Amino acid sequence: NAGVTQTPKFRILKIGQSMTLQCAQDMNHNYMYWYRQDPGMGLKLIYYSVGAGITDKGEVPNGYNVSRSTTEDFPLRLELAAPSQTSVYFCASSVTGFGYTFGSGTRLTVV
Amino acid sequence: SQKIEQNSEALNIQEGKTATLTCNYTNYSPAYLQWYRQDPGRGPVFLLLIRENEKEKRKERLKVTFDTTLKQSLFHITASQPADSATYLCALVGSNNNDMRFGAGTRLTVKP
Repeated sequence: NAGVTQTPKFRILKIGQSMTLQCAQDMNHNYMYWYRQDPGMGLKLIYYSVGAGITDKGEVPNGYNVSRSTTEDFPLRLELAAPSQTSVYFCASSVTGFGYTFGSGTRLTVV
Repeated sequence: SQKIEQNSEALNIQEGKTATLTCNYTNYSPAYLQWYRQDPGRGPVFLLLIRENEKEKRKERLKVTFDTTLKQSLFHITASQPADSATYLCALVGSNNNDMRFGAGTRLTVKP
């Protein structure tokens, strides 16, 4: 039972490049989330999904896109990367909307 | 605007003492309040959840209180151990259950 798996663990992007952060869970959770965490700051919600085919914006969605074609996968797409997107990204899932299970994170640097 | 504030960035205590962490919120009516533990380089780990109609919740050495009048939650670790050293995050969930907002966290250090 892997829980929530995020790939890659580390990535360096150049300004203007694009990439997809992968997130997969094997717990059959309906709810999935993407957060970013900057040093000394709390986690900020980027996007969330309450089930396959349903996504919604969180606090800081600008510069990101998501899709949820299956229950298991919730990829986060960065288009035209900017230095302000340098952060640690966490994916999480839950059954009922609380008691989240988090992945181990992706550390992204945009230079 | 909604704010979630954890009272201090860092808290240092001696082993065996009780650690008390505070979470205050404004312009928010949470249905649930949760506490998470985060170790360096790792994702947060869920510890406890308390509902708006509950005053107190316990789990082993952990105790959480929730005062919706004061808009405050207290998180206690009794008989603290060096292994309890970590950052502790409070998080609030609104009545729609659809998203959770986090405080910045308090870094707890328990000294032997």
